[in-house]
Amino acid sequence: EDKVVQSPLSLVVHEGDTVTLNCSYEVTNFRSLLWYKQEKKAPTFLFMLTSSGIEKKSGRLSSILDKKELSSILNITATQTGDSAIYLCARRSQGNLIFGKGTKLSVKP
Amino acid sequence: DGGITQSPKYLFRKEGQNVTLSCEQNLNHDAMYWYRQDPGQGLRLIYYSQIVNDFQKGDIAEGYSVSREKKESFPLTVTSAQKNPTAFYLCASTRTGGDSPLHFGNGTRLTVT
Repeated sequence: EDKVVQSPLSLVVHEGDTVTLNCSYEVTNFRSLLWYKQEKKAPTFLFMLTSSGIEKKSGRLSSILDKKELSSILNITATQTGDSAIYLCARRSQGNLIFGKGTKLSVKP
Repeated sequence: DGGITQSPKYLFRKEGQNVTLSCEQNLNHDAMYWYRQDPGQGLRLIYYSQIVNDFQKGDIAEGYSVSREKKESFPLTVTSAQKNPTAFYLCASTRTGGDSPLHFGNGTRLTVT
């Protein structure tokens, strides 16, 4: 069964903290791994990772894929209250995306 | 502006009634998807379509039906056979033939009482 497992399921931090969100997946027909941020409605795309060991960065967010460990991490440095959201990890398998349950991040002022 | 439009944003229905959720995109994407989101469950795939007049069941297709008569439109019908239809429904689309991220609509929150 295709599975994407995210951890932790929820996390509460204070502004300025650094957080690391984890995602592990099964290898069957792996093509790419994607991260999304969901605040209230539509998930918005953050990163797509296809190659192991190459970090992708956007401002305070960064992500890297480890194909050997079948996992990916999403780092957020100097967190702000606007980072509060559900972060979704998804694995592309042939024609569709398989999502994990998400990590709910709450950043307190 | 190109995008995906889901309507309505909120929908209330009585148990036993079928209801259709609309999804339209003007991104010229070939592939379209319907996901259901419940608290603590992440996104679960209901149906997807990679080309007009063709669609495949996802992981939780029971009690749902779709059609893909036009490239731009992928409506989802929640039938009375769906035992627990109250949820947040998200439509998405993407290009085919390569690795492209999914673009999502703003969702429809369906409440069945």
